[in-house]
Amino acid sequence: QVQLQQWGAGLLKPSETLSLSCAVYSGSFIGYSWSWIRQPPGKGLEWIGEISHSGSTKFNPSLKSRVTISADTSKKRFSLNLSSVTAADTAVYYCARHCNDGACYAFWGQGTTVTVSS
Amino acid sequence: EVVLTQSPDTLSLSPGERATLSCRASESFSSYLAWYQQKPGQAPRLLIYDASNRATGIPARFSGSGSGSDFTLTISSLEPEDFAVYYCQHRSDWPTFGQGTRLEIK
Repeated sequence: QVQLQQWGAGLLKPSETLSLSCAVYSGSFIGYSWSWIRQPPGKGLEWIGEISHSGSTKFNPSLKSRVTISADTSKKRFSLNLSSVTAADTAVYYCARHCNDGACYAFWGQGTTVTVSS
Repeated sequence: EVVLTQSPDTLSLSPGERATLSCRASESFSSYLAWYQQKPGQAPRLLIYDASNRATGIPARFSGSGSGSDFTLTISSLEPEDFAVYYCQHRSDWPTFGQGTRLEIK
């Protein structure tokens, strides 16, 4: 069973950069795409962006100017950086592995709560 | 951007009853529609992909149907563990999710 383990700083001040990482266990990294998805408190899910095993990326247009996603295939790990955070970026952040056809999310990390507060 | 609208926002039912959740898209598309279940404090879990295919390990009481712009998730006979929030999701230019339907115990 594929497992995703994520980690990163949980408390940030406005204007700082959010950095999260996600490691893949018991499964292949090659051949799949990997996404970051977030969920503000009490709200629904928002896709942030994705990276393929070859390194190509796509981002939510509303966040594109602030998002970087990178991957280290040798470590089976991928990372999210979100710059210039504000209180609106407070959310639970999830990493996820795409389904075989790339259109859905078959496996999810446990979630990391990120709070932005001065 | 494809906007997904789920209805109802909240559905109150009793164990053993049948649940029907709707997801309507702002434009028609192929069958790339997925459903997820989320319980408090947990990550979402994939239930249905490609509109009607159950994900691995998902009980047969969960079924998905629909095409074009109207999709449905049906739970044939509710178990106590089925009370949760359900989201639909589609991938077009970029992935979008519906706002969710909360399935609560009546």
